[in-house]
Amino acid sequence: EAQVTQNPRYLITVTGKKLTVTCSQNMNHEYMSWYRQDPGLGLRQIYYSMNVEVTDKGDVPEGYKVSRKEKRNFPLILESPSPNQTSLYFCASSLKGWAYEQYFGPGTRLTVT
Amino acid sequence: GIQVEQSPPDLILQEGANSTLRCNFSDSVNNLQWFHQNPWGQLINLFYIPSGTKQNGRLSATTVATERYSLLYISSSQTTDSGVYFCAVWAGTASKLTFGTGTRLQVTL
Repeated sequence: EAQVTQNPRYLITVTGKKLTVTCSQNMNHEYMSWYRQDPGLGLRQIYYSMNVEVTDKGDVPEGYKVSRKEKRNFPLILESPSPNQTSLYFCASSLKGWAYEQYFGPGTRLTVT
Repeated sequence: GIQVEQSPPDLILQEGANSTLRCNFSDSVNNLQWFHQNPWGQLINLFYIPSGTKQNGRLSATTVATERYSLLYISSSQTTDSGVYFCAVWAGTASKLTFGTGTRLQVTL
């Protein structure tokens, strides 16, 4: 089944404790991206990747890192999480970019205390 | 950047009723998608529809690209249709999809 998977789905952590949210897709898509969703602010893009080893900042990249060493994986790294990073995070992928159908993962609900 | 407006912002329906959700956008688009965010937060792809009409069961969508709007039709609504419906567009200039503010739908028994 074609899908985007994220892990973990739920996470409660403390300020400053490094964490990684994994994202994987099995559709051989070149493009992958991360969004966060907050009440009143909608979905905002954090980082995106047009292909392996090619990443770029979205609208809200501060406090996040990404890497794209393999085509199927695009992990999101929070090196020193803070409470303002409490949010619902989505990973997405598409064949080549924004003109193509975007497929979203199930979401990761992160709480930083 | 491109502006995306959805209407109505909120909608309450009785089970079995039909509804039409609208998405207006301010520029020509190369991508338009409709999503359903269920009460558990998951974003479900409904339609990839930069132009034309598509149907999937009780749901159908029409995009009139020249007039810069898209419509999502829900027929014979069910309680499982509850949630927030988003349209998202890409105009070919920005490095991201732009999401509308959503229509919150509640279907009651």
